[in-house]
Amino acid sequence: AAGVIQSPRHLIKEKRETATLKCYPIPRHDTVYWYQQGPGQDPQFLISFYEKMQSDKGSIPDRFSAQQFSDYHSELNMSSLELGDSALYFCASSLSYTQYFGPGTRLTVL
Amino acid sequence: EDKVVQSPLSLVVHEGDTVTLNCSYEVTNFRSLLWYKQEKKAPTFLFMLTSSGIEKKSGRLSSILDKKELFSILNITATQTGDSAVYLCAATALGIQGAQKLVFGQGTRLTINP
Repeated sequence: AAGVIQSPRHLIKEKRETATLKCYPIPRHDTVYWYQQGPGQDPQFLISFYEKMQSDKGSIPDRFSAQQFSDYHSELNMSSLELGDSALYFCASSLSYTQYFGPGTRLTVL
Repeated sequence: EDKVVQSPLSLVVHEGDTVTLNCSYEVTNFRSLLWYKQEKKAPTFLFMLTSSGIEKKSGRLSSILDKKELFSILNITATQTGDSAVYLCAATALGIQGAQKLVFGQGTRLTINP
């Protein structure tokens, strides 16, 4: 069965650079969620989209933005990167109450 | 503030033992309780619980929800080294604009020694 696809899987950036993470949800899933997971931490909710509209917002910094496109894929844009942004970024998709996670993008900010 | 609390945070047992992981929650507009297993990659879905008192089973794993006392347990019997992972509990609730939100606990790090 198709799963959530994220790209890239690994990304290394320097401070103050920008990064774009992509997420392709499971086909026919209408909701996409973004999470940030620091080392030894539980996933922290950033933002979600339902039918291409932002549906909920968590602890997403103002330097980050996201959108969902007409083909339901989503992109998380991160600007003015800081060392503390180094983390695993997960995307999840759902059709009802169960969220299925992608493999994650490991972002390292040097 | 919505919160999910798991205990213990860390557990080390021998292969073959039975373990019980606990999850308590306080969320507004609660809908369901999810359990995930996370190894060195993304969380993988284990169970979704929506009704009190109905046990869900999958092989050696089982889980049950108590909506009156606001907690859930995950049992693993005859543990194997492959069960070593972080087990995440998450409560789903309706967020703003009727969207679902997922509130995670801190996770229980389970280590199974041979």
